[in-house]
Amino acid sequence: GAGVSQSPRYKVAKRGQDVALRCDPISGHVSLFWYQQALGQGPEFLTYFQNEAQLDKSGLPSDRFFAERPEGSVSTLKIQRTQQEDSAVYLCASSEYRGTKNIQYFGAGTRLSVL
Amino acid sequence: QQQVKQSPQSLIVQKGGISIINCAYENTAFDYFPWYQQFPGKGPALLIAIRPDVSEKKEGRFTISFNKSAKQFSLHIMDSQPGDSATYFCAASRKNTDKLIFGTGTRLQVFP
Repeated sequence: GAGVSQSPRYKVAKRGQDVALRCDPISGHVSLFWYQQALGQGPEFLTYFQNEAQLDKSGLPSDRFFAERPEGSVSTLKIQRTQQEDSAVYLCASSEYRGTKNIQYFGAGTRLSVL
Repeated sequence: QQQVKQSPQSLIVQKGGISIINCAYENTAFDYFPWYQQFPGKGPALLIAIRPDVSEKKEGRFTISFNKSAKQFSLHIMDSQPGDSATYFCAASRKNTDKLIFGTGTRLQVFP
């Protein structure tokens, strides 16, 4: 079946604009994660959902970042009043368990450039 | 505070050679250690993973070696191929949480 789909693939925003990034997880996957990947770095955890419940938002860098998953499927990451330091690739992953192993499947990401 | 330290930052290997990437961690609560492969413009994809109750896991040309006492683990790619050229990330997660803590990545280039 289809993998994790993210849109848009690229987003250019002027400093101060609000942006919304969408993630369509693999059908049936209960868990969904958002990560931020700066250029040349590893992904860093932002937030985690189990169905519609946001169980961990400890990685969100400021209160300008907000994520939701209202029906337990599609998720949106919103960044208000974007700043240059928000420029990064935002990765979404959904996961399933195989035995005791949690396997996260990543989308291709949204590359956000804030000018 | 970097919880998972990865080295080297970049690696150049000749086709047919062995690529070795190393990671170290501090948090003894980590109990799951995956390796991810990322091609340019793509998201990371799970390559192989290990739990600390075993010292080695092999899948095809890819092997993870795990040293619990030293809190280190490494990825070995045997018979490296140009198609293996990508960025590799080690990661770790704690029991009862699935969020991954990633290393900083190793850019591997395999030349024919």
